[in-house]
Amino acid sequence: DSGVTQTPKHLITATGQRVTLRCSPRSGDLSVYWYQQSLDQGLQFLIQYYNGEERAKGNILERFSAQQFPDLHSELNLSSLELGDSALYFCASSVFGTGPYGYTFGSGTRLTVV
Amino acid sequence: TQLLEQSPQFLSIQEGENLTVYCNSSSVFSSLQWYRQEPGEGPVLLVTVVTGGEVKKLKRLTFQFGDARKDSSLHITAAQTGDTGLYLCAGASSGGSNYKLTFGKGTLLTVNP
Repeated sequence: DSGVTQTPKHLITATGQRVTLRCSPRSGDLSVYWYQQSLDQGLQFLIQYYNGEERAKGNILERFSAQQFPDLHSELNLSSLELGDSALYFCASSVFGTGPYGYTFGSGTRLTVV
Repeated sequence: TQLLEQSPQFLSIQEGENLTVYCNSSSVFSSLQWYRQEPGEGPVLLVTVVTGGEVKKLKRLTFQFGDARKDSSLHITAAQTGDTGLYLCAGASSGGSNYKLTFGKGTLLTVNP
């Protein structure tokens, strides 16, 4: 158990729908990062929050949004889902807001859009 | 766009053999990290190397950061079936006030009994 909790573990939904993925960071970690992993693209950075504020954005689609709450848990909202959004979504956390350090990853949410 | 190329993409060996996987880029990184990911799980951080030429050992795993901080290698001695997994390298680079972590696509290692 890495200390980073992601729910749900699996999600199957239809095209056009909206889903919310949840992440609780490791105790004491202030930063939360969201990544998308697919077979052809590898791990792609989506967005980072630090202590409730957006810190960095990666290749996140406009249909996707995220937020970090006062208790530091984070949610990633995916809307108008397309077949191509099927992937593993990982949340990671770290103590620092920035720095060349490693992250602690959760076990991921496997999203299947049918 | 900074890219990290990992090679080989796939590697299948017998238990007891040695192996080396590589992570190369044309960009300079502040640090380089290696992760191992098992099916159904998230990546787990193995090591972070920061100084050019740095060598770190973790039991049978030896990690090296290139002198120019553009590349890295992971050497496994006497591989075991438990070493099976996806090995990912990730480079950290400074972009203004924030560091960005770029991942390679990984080397999928299978160690056969």
